Amino acid sequence: QKEVEQDPGPLSVPEGAIVSLNCTYSNSAFQYFMWYRQYSRKGPELLMYTYSSGNKEDGRFTAQVDKSSKYISLFIRDSQPSDSATYLCAMRENTGFQKLVFGTGTRLLVSP
Amino acid sequence: EAGVAQSPRYKIIEKRQSVAFWCNPISGHATLYWYQQILGQGPKLLIQFQNNGVVDDSQLPKDRFSAERLKGVDSTLKIQPAKLEDSAVYLCASILNLSGDTQYFGPGTRLTVL
Repeated sequence: QKEVEQDPGPLSVPEGAIVSLNCTYSNSAFQYFMWYRQYSRKGPELLMYTYSSGNKEDGRFTAQVDKSSKYISLFIRDSQPSDSATYLCAMRENTGFQKLVFGTGTRLLVSP
Repeated sequence: EAGVAQSPRYKIIEKRQSVAFWCNPISGHATLYWYQQILGQGPKLLIQFQNNGVVDDSQLPKDRFSAERLKGVDSTLKIQPAKLEDSAVYLCASILNLSGDTQYFGPGTRLTVL
């Protein structure tokens, strides 16, 4: 079993839809949770960063962490064609080395 | 602020050949990472440097992969000899210090092994 599981998609939605992306994990020591966006032929860029459980909102993006269920989510409101990309969840333990474990990524396609 | 620079962007080689990738992190960033991203998968950490010292190389296939960061700034990753399964994007990332929140990624080097 992988430490982090993520549905690879692709997930196709029309413009304006609410998108829900999810990851599950098995390591209860994970404390920091991140979502990265990766456009084709580009490196990942950090979208959201959350410590422990709870919600965090930034514009059209909301990240949720449920540590009791080992489940994290990213919601995108009013999705735009420019949101079409691969979304990677990543997480790490509370150690000093910042070692990230990534999911496989979900490819999102937003059609106009 | 300039981002993480990587070169070359693309490389095609035949199996059993050798190849080297170069990374220049963001100025002042002490920690540097090399990741391997196989098509359809998330990045997998190969090696982590803190200044010019190795912090974690537990997932680096040391029989064929090597990396160095001699002056604690730029870094090279080498594969010798390459295998077909090494075809992937090799990403470099850096972070200012280990209490920081964000790893900044370069654009990657896409390696194809024929």
